[in-house]
Amino acid sequence: AQSVTQLGSHVSVSEGALVLLRCNYSSSVPPYLFWYVQYPNQGLQLLLKYTTGATLVKGINGFEAEFKKSETSFHLTKPSAHMSDAAEYFCAVSNQAGTALIFGKGTTLSVSS
Amino acid sequence: DVKVTQSSRYLVKRTGEKVFLECVQDMDHENMFWYRQDPGLGLRLIYFSYDVKMKEKGDIPEGYSVSREKKERFSLILESASTNQTSMYLCASSATLGGRAWDEQFFGPGTRLTVL
Repeated sequence: AQSVTQLGSHVSVSEGALVLLRCNYSSSVPPYLFWYVQYPNQGLQLLLKYTTGATLVKGINGFEAEFKKSETSFHLTKPSAHMSDAAEYFCAVSNQAGTALIFGKGTTLSVSS
Repeated sequence: DVKVTQSSRYLVKRTGEKVFLECVQDMDHENMFWYRQDPGLGLRLIYFSYDVKMKEKGDIPEGYSVSREKKERFSLILESASTNQTSMYLCASSATLGGRAWDEQFFGPGTRLTVL
């Protein structure tokens, strides 16, 4: 069965520091993988997605993620954190039937000045 | 600009009341979803629909039902609200690509429901 594990429910970084949010998945079929961001009191917004092709995926706001099949990982990175990046981030994988997404429990990113 | 709207941002109901949460999308998407979001549990799928009048149970359908009479509208119904249904409810929609619904989902702003 498909599943997603986000390592670390809370990550804190300083402004300008590297952001690394970890996501590991389990999938019995080639996965489609997604990262979403949720700002306070808002719905989720797509940051980036991997379907097929290039394993390094670039998204909005300077974020990128790399699909590593051998490690079953899809970690999200950003070279330099900004205060506006403070939000909750969700990793998701398509379910086996391709009918819905399975979400991780989320990682809250805090950015300090 | 694509948009998913939800009828209320905040809702307070009493135990035993029948509650309707409405979601409308303007993207002509085939698929619509209802999730609930709770701290530390992430998003959990309640129901989804891949066509008008079609519905499928998600991971936590107990205590909920849904209705999709028109393509753009997907309603979540709490037949008899209970305090453990206090939560944030998120609606989403997606297109079908290649026969699959696993493409990007677009989310509404959410409805924070409190059941007293």
